[in-house]
Order: sequence, then C-alpha cells, then structure tokens
Amino acid sequence: DTGVSQNPRHKITKRGQNVTFRCDPISEHNRLYWYRQTLGQGPEFLTYFQNEAQLEKSRLLSDRFSAERPKGSFSTLEIQRTEQGDSAMYLCASTVRDRDTDTQYFGPGTRLTVL
Amino acid sequence: AQSVTQLDSQVPVFEEAPVELRCNYSSSVSVYLFWYVQYPNQGLQLLLKYLSGSTLVKGINGFEAEFNKSQTSFHLRKPSVHISDTAEYFCAVITNAGKSTFGDGTTLTVKP
Repeated sequence: DTGVSQNPRHKITKRGQNVTFRCDPISEHNRLYWYRQTLGQGPEFLTYFQNEAQLEKSRLLSDRFSAERPKGSFSTLEIQRTEQGDSAMYLCASTVRDRDTDTQYFGPGTRLTVL
Repeated sequence: AQSVTQLDSQVPVFEEAPVELRCNYSSSVSVYLFWYVQYPNQGLQLLLKYLSGSTLVKGINGFEAEFNKSQTSFHLRKPSVHISDTAEYFCAVITNAGKSTFGDGTTLTVKP
C-alpha cells in the first residue's frame, strides 16, 4: 500500500454515459499525475497537477476528458460520453520531489469497462 | 521527445536463476530512470531509481540496475529469482519538468 487511494476500483458503464474517478494522494505530495494503461502496454501519461494547477495535458486527453484538483488535494478525472476505446485501467500517481525530478507513488487504479 | 524500449516482452526463468530485464531509452533532454513492478490487479510499485551518482543502483527485493549513459541503457538484474518475483516490470524515464514515459513492460515468469 503506497498511501495513494483510488475510487472506485472497478467501473462498468454503457457507451455514452459519463464517469468520474477520484484519486486521494499522499497528503504532503504536491504533484499528482493521471495515466491510462491498456492491456499489454505501459502507462500512458494523461495529465498532471502541481497543487491545483494543471500543468500539462497529453494529446491523448480529448475534449471528452477533464481533470480537476480543487484546493490541491484530491483529484477527479471525468470522461464524458464514454466510448468502448476508453476501456482501460486509469492510474493516479502522487509524487514527491527528489533532487530535480519526481518520484511517483501509484494508486491501485480504477478499471473502466465500457460496454 | 523521449522514448523507452523494453527489449523483451516476456522473460521466462527457473527459480533461483539469475535474470536481466533490458531497457533502452532515448531523449533529447536529461532524464532520470526508474523501474517499477506491477503484480496482478495491483498498481505500480517503485523498485529503484537512478538520479545521479553511482551508476549501480540497488532497490527493493534484491533487484539492482546499472545506468549506462553511452549505451543509453538501464538494465534490471537479480542474481537469484523467486516464484514471488513473477510480475510485470516497467522501465520509465522522467524529465526534470515532470514529463514521464514508460516502456511497454516485460512479463517475468518464474517457474519452479
């Protein structure tokens, strides 16, 4: 257990529905990352926050995806009008600054299945 | 831009044998290197990292990795594996701006 929690752990939804995932990071970590992982692939970067500011978004993050981190604490990732191609594991990572880079501590992930 | 190539998608070995999981990277800027392990239905767990200093890095569970700047490699090794080491292993690079790139993973299967 890394201390990063994600809810729900599993989500099954029908195509076209909206879904929202939550990540609770380690409290003293000010950076938070979201990734998507599909079977047989490594995690793909989606976006990251420093405190409440969203600093970078991947081109993978279409306009159906939105992420927030109000007050620099927990974060939510919302997918609107889900498509079957959105089925994946969504991972959150809480990070601590170590010298000049981030060491990431991952949550258990939320597995999304779009029917 | 950066990329990470894990040269073996699957590595089967017998228990107590040594293992090496290979990782090559490319980047136009300085990067820091990480290895993560993912057990079934779990998140990624940090095994070890190279930030600076000695090129031989020791991590948890008896794993170590060697950074080779000239060959742009960061191979992971363990002298004697256990059944419990069966998992997916990911190599990753991160820039000091926080941009991260992961490899596609290597499935290590340890047989009795």
